[in-house]
Amino acid sequence: KNQVEQSPQSLIILEGKNCTLQCNYTVSPFSNLRWYKQDTGRGPVSLTIMTFSENTKSNGRYTATLDADTKQSSLHITASQLSDSASYICVVTSLDSNYQLIWGAGTKLIIKP
Amino acid sequence: DAEITQSPRHKITETGRQVTLACHQTWNHNNMFWYRQDLGHGLRLIHYSYGVQDTNKGEVSDGYSVSRSNTEDLPLTLESAASSQTSVYFCASSVGQGQAFFGQGTRLTVV
Repeated sequence: KNQVEQSPQSLIILEGKNCTLQCNYTVSPFSNLRWYKQDTGRGPVSLTIMTFSENTKSNGRYTATLDADTKQSSLHITASQLSDSASYICVVTSLDSNYQLIWGAGTKLIIKP
Repeated sequence: DAEITQSPRHKITETGRQVTLACHQTWNHNNMFWYRQDLGHGLRLIHYSYGVQDTNKGEVSDGYSVSRSNTEDLPLTLESAASSQTSVYFCASSVGQGQAFFGQGTRLTVV
């Protein structure tokens, strides 16, 4: 069964610190992996997209990594800011099922001043 | 600016009533999706459409229906609302495998 699991479920860190969020997936065949940021009360917004051949991709203070062999991805946030407080969701696109998106449950990140 | 809008933002309805949630996008995207989001769960796909007159069931489609009469709109109808359908509903649109753009969400409470 296609699944996406994220850890930790929630995380609290101090402003200015770094953190890493994890995503493990069992989706096959794999098309791409996206990280979305969802602010409270709003729809998700895409941060990065990675295809099979990409190992690392950055978007400002956000850096995503992908290991297609172990089916793992991580999202690293550098020098966290209060505005980073949100849920971060890992989404994997399957080549089967009409490119269906398989959504993780998300990691809720809270940045404290 | 192109956008995707959902209405209403909040809705309270009674069990057994028919409810329709609206979704309108101005990007001219072929693909449109409806998801529900519940605490502790990822977004779960209800229905999706790849173009006018095309509709498909997602993983949690029971009790829901959609219609696609034009490119811009994909209304979601709950035929007979149940308490289990209390949730936050998100509409999204995309082109091909491109990024999905989401609406602001509709919080639906069934009492």
